[in-house]
Amino acid sequence: RKEVEQDPGPFNVPEGATVAFNCTYSNSASQSFFWYRQDCRKEPKLLMSVYSSGNEDGRFTAQLNRASQYISLLIRDSKLSDSATYLCVVPRDSGGYQKVTFGTGTKLQVIP
Amino acid sequence: DAGVTQSPTHLIKTRGQQVTLRCSPKSGHDTVSWYQQALGQGPQFIFQYYEEEERQRGNFPDRFSGHQFPNYSSELNVNALLLGDSALYLCASSLWPGSTDTQYFGPGTRLTVL
Repeated sequence: RKEVEQDPGPFNVPEGATVAFNCTYSNSASQSFFWYRQDCRKEPKLLMSVYSSGNEDGRFTAQLNRASQYISLLIRDSKLSDSATYLCVVPRDSGGYQKVTFGTGTKLQVIP
Repeated sequence: DAGVTQSPTHLIKTRGQQVTLRCSPKSGHDTVSWYQQALGQGPQFIFQYYEEEERQRGNFPDRFSGHQFPNYSSELNVNALLLGDSALYLCASSLWPGSTDTQYFGPGTRLTVL
């Protein structure tokens, strides 16, 4: 099993729709998880952090399911500006330092 | 407050050559991590520098090496370039090595190997 797996998509959704992405991880000891957003030909930018069961920020909700080892990102009322690639990130602690593993990303295209 | 800066923005090299990429961290950050992002893939962790030493390393060959300077800036060196080294190289800085939630990325250096 890969350390971090994501459905690459693309997910094509109409404006106003609700869309959800999943990300599975293999290291059961991981304590923190992150969603990054990456626009085409730009650098990734932190969208949300997930430390316990979940996190909510406006239209975005991230949830963690430790038993099944996955995190999800839910986007409500999709906007055209949400079109981007969403990267799941799972750090692995090692003696106070971290190796950071990114998923391959899920591409979202919001259609007018 | 300047964010993470990288230079150059684009670079074209030929197979077998050597390349050096540079990164200046965000003000107040002392940890620098380097990533390679091939087209259509997520960033792959190369290594992390803290206190001028390599602290963590991903699955990259010894052709990839780095350095961190006393002012926390960093260099990534790649020797004996291969076609497969063509990618976007991202530098990220953070407040300390274990703080992924404070990690900021630079705009990247796009390397093309011919």
